[in-house]
Amino acid sequence: NAGVTQTPKFRVLKTGQSMTLLCAQDMNHEYMYWYRQDPGMGLRLIHYSVGEGTTAKGEVPDGYNVSRLKKQNFLLGLESAAPSQTSVYFCASSSLAGGSSGANVLTFGAGSRLTVL
Amino acid sequence: KNQVEQSPQSLIILEGKNCTLQCNYTVSPFSNLRWYKQDTGRGPVSLTIMTFSENTKSNGRYTATLDADTKQSSLHITASQLSDSASYICVVFHNTNAGKSTFGDGTTLTVKP
Repeated sequence: NAGVTQTPKFRVLKTGQSMTLLCAQDMNHEYMYWYRQDPGMGLRLIHYSVGEGTTAKGEVPDGYNVSRLKKQNFLLGLESAAPSQTSVYFCASSSLAGGSSGANVLTFGAGSRLTVL
Repeated sequence: KNQVEQSPQSLIILEGKNCTLQCNYTVSPFSNLRWYKQDTGRGPVSLTIMTFSENTKSNGRYTATLDADTKQSSLHITASQLSDSASYICVVFHNTNAGKSTFGDGTTLTVKP
């Protein structure tokens, strides 16, 4: 089982360029999330999806767009990259909402390191 | 404001020693709390999950406690190993269906030989 796979692992952009990060999960999970992690700060939720065809804003959505056309894929797009978007991006998925009690667990990808010059 | 505060920010211990990491939260309504381990350059991996009614849960050498009244949790690591060197993140999940959660900034643990 691959779990959650993120591509690319590393990317360097110039200010104003656009790019898309791809997250793929093979666990048939309903929920998918995109986070960013900056030094000295906890993971912050950018956008999330509760099912195919749905997306919702998280804590820090500005400057990002997402799409969930297929259940197994969750794409994060940067239309016009800015240096403030230099970060490590993590995708995660879960079988149920993270707020439900029980054994559901967020499964994270290995991360995508993005540098915007 | 929903917050999760972890302490200490960093910790260095010798191999074989025990240590305890703290997590205080103000998240409401509360659903459950999880501790994650994040190795350098990797994504976080779940260690334990604590629901409102649980006080203690163990996973090998890791033991998590939860006091829902004082809104505090701790992660105790017994007989530390070099492979325990990582960042330990406390995550509190809100009692909603939208998967909302608040992450702590993490405690960086370094285990030295």
